[in-house]
Amino acid sequence: AQKITQTQPGMFVQEKEAVTLDCTYDTSDQSYGLFWYKQPSSGEMIFLIYQGSYDEQNATEGRYSLNFQKARKSANLVISASQLGDSAMYFCAMREVPRANAGKSTFGDGTTLTVKP
Amino acid sequence: DAEITQSPRHKITETGRQVTLACHQTWNHNNMFWYRQDLGHGLRLIHYSYGVQDTNKGEVSDGYSVSRSNTEDLPLTLESAASSQTSVYFCASSEERDSYEQYFGPGTRLTVT
Repeated sequence: AQKITQTQPGMFVQEKEAVTLDCTYDTSDQSYGLFWYKQPSSGEMIFLIYQGSYDEQNATEGRYSLNFQKARKSANLVISASQLGDSAMYFCAMREVPRANAGKSTFGDGTTLTVKP
Repeated sequence: DAEITQSPRHKITETGRQVTLACHQTWNHNNMFWYRQDLGHGLRLIHYSYGVQDTNKGEVSDGYSVSRSNTEDLPLTLESAASSQTSVYFCASSEERDSYEQYFGPGTRLTVT
């Protein structure tokens, strides 16, 4: 079974600084995908970034980057130059890639990020 | 523009009643999913479907059922609502079985009194 652990229930960061949100995972699968979602107070789930288990380079999407360390089974999200609008709950998720089970996601419990002006 | 919608957005019901939450997507995606999110936690998979007439149980399927009669819709039914099913329900869809992105609906907040 897959498991996602986010050990930081809440994080604070000063505006314009960088912040790292931790995520560790556990799986016996060789092929999987790791995701980060943002959930603002309005409640919708916003896809941020994806990392495949066989991708050799860390994924980046604008101010978001994923620090993928496969041997440590960690997939930390780095947000550079934080903005007030980044204040939200952030979820790390994992999905099995093999065809028979693809699409089913396992989510962590989330980290609430607060950006201070 | 293609989208995924859920209705109702808010629902209050009584214990023991049958409730159906609607999910409709215009992406023409084969894969559709239902998750629930309890306060302060991440999403947990209830049911999913890989195409018409295909349904599968997820991690927390007890007390819920789904049916898939067309590509666009995956309604979620609570057979006999319980207070433990008070939650926010998210529907999602994705294009292919190994597609990495899921598109989420806006969520339905269900309260069972």
